Amino acid sequence: AQSVTQLDSQVPVFEEAPVELRCNYSSSVSVYLFWYVQYPNQGLQLLLKYLSGSTLVKGINGFEAEFNKSQTSFHLRKPSVHISDTAEYFCAVSSNAGGTSYGKLTFGQGTILTVHP
Amino acid sequence: NAGVTQTPKFRVLKTGQSMTLLCAQDMNHEYMYWYRQDPGMGLRLIHYSVGEGTTAKGEVPDGYNVSRLKKQNFLLGLESAAPSQTSVYFCASSYRREVTYEQYFGPGTRLTVT
Repeated sequence: AQSVTQLDSQVPVFEEAPVELRCNYSSSVSVYLFWYVQYPNQGLQLLLKYLSGSTLVKGINGFEAEFNKSQTSFHLRKPSVHISDTAEYFCAVSSNAGGTSYGKLTFGQGTILTVHP
Repeated sequence: NAGVTQTPKFRVLKTGQSMTLLCAQDMNHEYMYWYRQDPGMGLRLIHYSVGEGTTAKGEVPDGYNVSRLKKQNFLLGLESAAPSQTSVYFCASSYRREVTYEQYFGPGTRLTVT
């Protein structure tokens, strides 16, 4: 079984400031890690994913995330945010143990990022 | 391509009524999922399907039934709606890409049960 904890439910930030959204996970098996973004009244869109290899992963819209296995974390960062980044962000994990996970995702509670002018 | 579509977008039900939510995808994806989204709880998996004619329970299946009679459609049914089922419902479909599955989400259905 897996669980995901997003440490901040809301993060307010001013435009052009850096931001970090924190995500910790627990799992008894190896996992793949994802960040999704949900703009108001829309579905979820994949920002980036970690499967293997380099622990620093770059995604769309200037976001990046770093996988830290020892701390079981996968924090999302952006060096300079825009008003248009205002959205809810979800961290998610999927088991990579064998072929029976079928891509099922376990989501965190979500972090609402609000960018102020 | 329309991607993943959901019908209806909004619905209000009275306690005890039944309804079916329709999810359709035109990407020929093998796998489909139903999630519910509640404030402060993220998305939770209700049921999923790994192919036409198959369904399986997810994390929160009670009170819901599903069917996948055609590969492109995944139906979610509520036989007797309860206020606890007030939520936003998302459908997703996926295919196996590299070593994992990349999910594509629909726009959601907002359901209120009074």
